[in-house]
Amino acid sequence: GAVVSQHPSWVICKSGTSVKIECRSLDFQATTMFWYRQFPKQSLMLMATSNEGSKATYEQGVEKDKFLINHASLTLSTLTVTSAHPEDSSFYICSAPQQALIPDQPQHFGDGTRLSIL
Amino acid sequence: AQKITQTQPGMFVQEKEAVTLDCTYDTSDPSYGLFWYKQPSSGEMIFLIYQGSYDQQNATEGRYSLNFQKARKSANLVISASQLGDSAMYFCAMREGLTGFQKLVFGTGTRLLVSP
Repeated sequence: GAVVSQHPSWVICKSGTSVKIECRSLDFQATTMFWYRQFPKQSLMLMATSNEGSKATYEQGVEKDKFLINHASLTLSTLTVTSAHPEDSSFYICSAPQQALIPDQPQHFGDGTRLSIL
Repeated sequence: AQKITQTQPGMFVQEKEAVTLDCTYDTSDPSYGLFWYKQPSSGEMIFLIYQGSYDQQNATEGRYSLNFQKARKSANLVISASQLGDSAMYFCAMREGLTGFQKLVFGTGTRLLVSP
């Protein structure tokens, strides 16, 4: 079945570091990808919608300059957390619909990235 | 306004028994999809089952079935014959519109613990 690959799985870094997370669709093209954030014991909250070849659409309250999204190809979207601070520590997870025009297709999720900022 | 509501923070069930996880939703869009995902402690999101707003029959996938009551705006997940490996967080989610280009909105989740 369709697979979304996300790297890295774990990141531990110092405050002030920028961290890049990659999300790849392995056997299908994804013109749209979604980036979610999940704090411990909480639900997934959508951060932004990544659109191939155009600017990402950010949800209200998400800082565009802090969370840079690039969707340069049909199989790759990246999320860069710039100048990360401890409050950015969270679980970041991406998803992509395999066949977006078919109603009953689920979004396929990457395995997520646990980000810890010291 | 909360679009997806899961009122059960935690549920306990004994192995081999059935369990129902509740989910209610709120939307004015006549076209929408409802999803259930399982999230084990490792974090990945595992798709379980889908119900479209125009589907006449309740969705079923193996041991999972969705009790869809459109008038009540509820989409409860029923897991039959629970297994120890079913212990995880379960999230109900809604997508307004019928295409995959729309975002998912998640509920707060229910933690299911299956005991031997």
